[in-house]
Amino acid sequence: GAGVSQSPSNKVTEKGKDVELRCDPISGHTALYWYRQRLGQGLEFLIYFQGNSAPDKSGLPSDRFSAERTGESVSTLTIQRTQQEDSAVYLCASSWRGIGTEQYFGPGTRLTVT
Amino acid sequence: DAKTTQPPSMDCAEGRAANLPCNHSTISGNEYVYWYRQIHSQGPQYIIHGLKNNETNEMASLIITEDRKSSTLILPHATLRDTAVYYCIVRVARRDDKIIFGKGTRLHILP
Repeated sequence: GAGVSQSPSNKVTEKGKDVELRCDPISGHTALYWYRQRLGQGLEFLIYFQGNSAPDKSGLPSDRFSAERTGESVSTLTIQRTQQEDSAVYLCASSWRGIGTEQYFGPGTRLTVT
Repeated sequence: DAKTTQPPSMDCAEGRAANLPCNHSTISGNEYVYWYRQIHSQGPQYIIHGLKNNETNEMASLIITEDRKSSTLILPHATLRDTAVYYCIVRVARRDDKIIFGKGTRLHILP
């Protein structure tokens, strides 16, 4: 079946511009996560959505970062006034609510801020 | 912060078993041990998870010590395609919880 998809796969933007990254989770998955991975680094949690609950935004690095999710489907991560340190791969994952659930990751969006 | 400790890198000869250790001495009774891996330029991939019993699937085996303070992921016959960063994670599984990734172990499979 279809996995988690993300678009675009690559994005090059100029410093100061806004960008939107999209995630389509696996159908039926109620939980959705965004992570950031800088070159050669581990995964850094950004934000978590679960159903209609208030999202866990504790990992967002600054107020330039925001994310929305439409119901239990598509999510967009927006970075305003991009900075060079925002360059990274942004990964989305989804999971089904239940005991012992695992997360399924998308291929990521590689963001380069010039 | 990650609740696990892993060696930063390991080598394993192709065709041999790769044994990746993980320490999680502060694990709680309701936390599971999960393993993911990330092959270069790809998103992380779920491998296996367990609570206290040893687990086996088509990819790997997970051995958890009786006191649950450490575990070992075993890839029985490593191939070059198993070269990746392997992450050991502990998390509560009764509700969806954010996964906190540590630095993982970079496994090099040697031909």
